[in-house]
Amino acid sequence: AQSVTQLGSHVSVSEGALVLLRCNYSSSVPPYLFWYVQYPNQGLQLLLKYTSAATLVKGINGFEAEFKKSETSFHLTKPSAHMSDAAEYFCAVSDNAGNMLTFGGGTRLMVKP
Amino acid sequence: DTGVSQDPRHKITKRGQNVTFRCDPISEHNRLYWYRQTLGQGPEFLTYFQNEAQLEKSRLLSDRFSAERPKGSFSTLEIQRTEQGDSAMYLCASRSTGPNEKLFFGSGTQLSVL
Repeated sequence: AQSVTQLGSHVSVSEGALVLLRCNYSSSVPPYLFWYVQYPNQGLQLLLKYTSAATLVKGINGFEAEFKKSETSFHLTKPSAHMSDAAEYFCAVSDNAGNMLTFGGGTRLMVKP
Repeated sequence: DTGVSQDPRHKITKRGQNVTFRCDPISEHNRLYWYRQTLGQGPEFLTYFQNEAQLEKSRLLSDRFSAERPKGSFSTLEIQRTEQGDSAMYLCASRSTGPNEKLFFGSGTQLSVL
């Protein structure tokens, strides 16, 4: 069985500050890991995914995530927050390339001016 | 690419009624997925199709739930005898076959059972 834990259901940062959203996973097989973003009244959009190639994955909108097997973590970062980054972020794990994703509970990112 | 389309966007129903939702995937996508998202939670997998074949169903999908994809294009999700606990956002997603194909989500159907 696979599971995802996102630490912090709400994270607040100031515009221009570092964004760090935490994700820890549990998987009995080498995992595929994903970060999705959900803006109000919109569908989930893929930010980035890890598929056992490079451990540092770069995504859209300046986000990146690092796969750390020893820590079973896949934290999402962005060096400088922008107001438009305010949204809900979901970490997800799959035992293959994308069928049957298991999502974490989500982290709502708020960006203060 | 017109995106994944879901209809209706919102549905309010009374407990005990049947409801049906529709999903139109991106046209060339042969895989279609249904997820359910309750307030404050991440989406939960319900079922998926490859073409018209339903290949996997979650234990979350009780006997009151049925999904179809009769011609391998659009899909419907029906909930019979709705309960208040069925209130949630029902999300549809689609992708092509292949390990690196991206999953595209629709905006969802918000169901409220009174």
